[in-house]
Amino acid sequence: NAGVTQTPKFQVLKTGQSMTLQCAQDMNHNSMYWYRQDPGMGLRLIYYSASEGTTDKGEVPNGYNVSRLNKREFSLRLESAAPSQTSVYFCASGQDSGYNSPLHFGNGTRLTVT
Amino acid sequence: GESVGLHLPTLSVQEGDNSIINCAYSNSASDYFIWYKQESGKGPQFIIDIRSNMDKRQGQRVTVLLNKTVKHLSLQIAATQPGDSAVYFCAENDDRGSTLGRLYFGRGTQLTVWP
Repeated sequence: NAGVTQTPKFQVLKTGQSMTLQCAQDMNHNSMYWYRQDPGMGLRLIYYSASEGTTDKGEVPNGYNVSRLNKREFSLRLESAAPSQTSVYFCASGQDSGYNSPLHFGNGTRLTVT
Repeated sequence: GESVGLHLPTLSVQEGDNSIINCAYSNSASDYFIWYKQESGKGPQFIIDIRSNMDKRQGQRVTVLLNKTVKHLSLQIAATQPGDSAVYFCAENDDRGSTLGRLYFGRGTQLTVWP
C-alpha cells in the first residue's frame, strides 16, 4: 500500500500564481486533512473533510480552497499565491472523523513563493 | 497559543540509552493523545496513542505515560538507536466547542542519538 500520496514534492511559484496540490489515499479512510508546517512550529490545520462530499475550515484557511473529489482524493488550491504561503504542506487521512484514531500523513509538498 | 507543548526543544542521548520526551497539555477535556515521529524530509509517522481512560500504554520499544492530574504526557524509547533520531510531536484531540474537534500538535522535540 502506498498510504497517502502527495504531488508534487516540490514547487516554486511567483506571487500571484495559482496551483493545486494533489493528495490521494488508498486506505479507504473517511476523513482527509490539509496541514501546513512552518519552521519551529507544529502542524496547523488548513482544511479538512470529514467524509466524501463535505469540507470545513480549519485553523488557517485564508488564501486556500479545497475539493474532496471522491473518497480517495482531496486537493488544496492556492488561487493567488503569497510569500506567506511558503511552507511545507502535508495531507493526512484518518479512519474516522472524530480525531479518535491516528492520522496518516503523506511526505509533503515543499512550496516556495517568491 | 496551542495548549500542547514540549518541555525541551532538543534531546541528545547515546545509543543504547533510554530516551524520555515530555509533553504538557492544558485542556483537561482532551481525551486522546498521539505521538508522531518525523524524519527529515518526510511526513509525521504514527508511533503510539493513548486514551484518557489509560495511564500507560506500551508498544515496541516505546511506552507512553499519561498523567491527567498534572496534564503531562511522555514518550519513553528503550535502547535508543541512531534510527530514532528525528523530531517527535505530541498531539491531543481537543474539542474546543467545534462541531468536529481538532488535533492540536506541539512544536516538537529534536532527538539526536550519538553512536
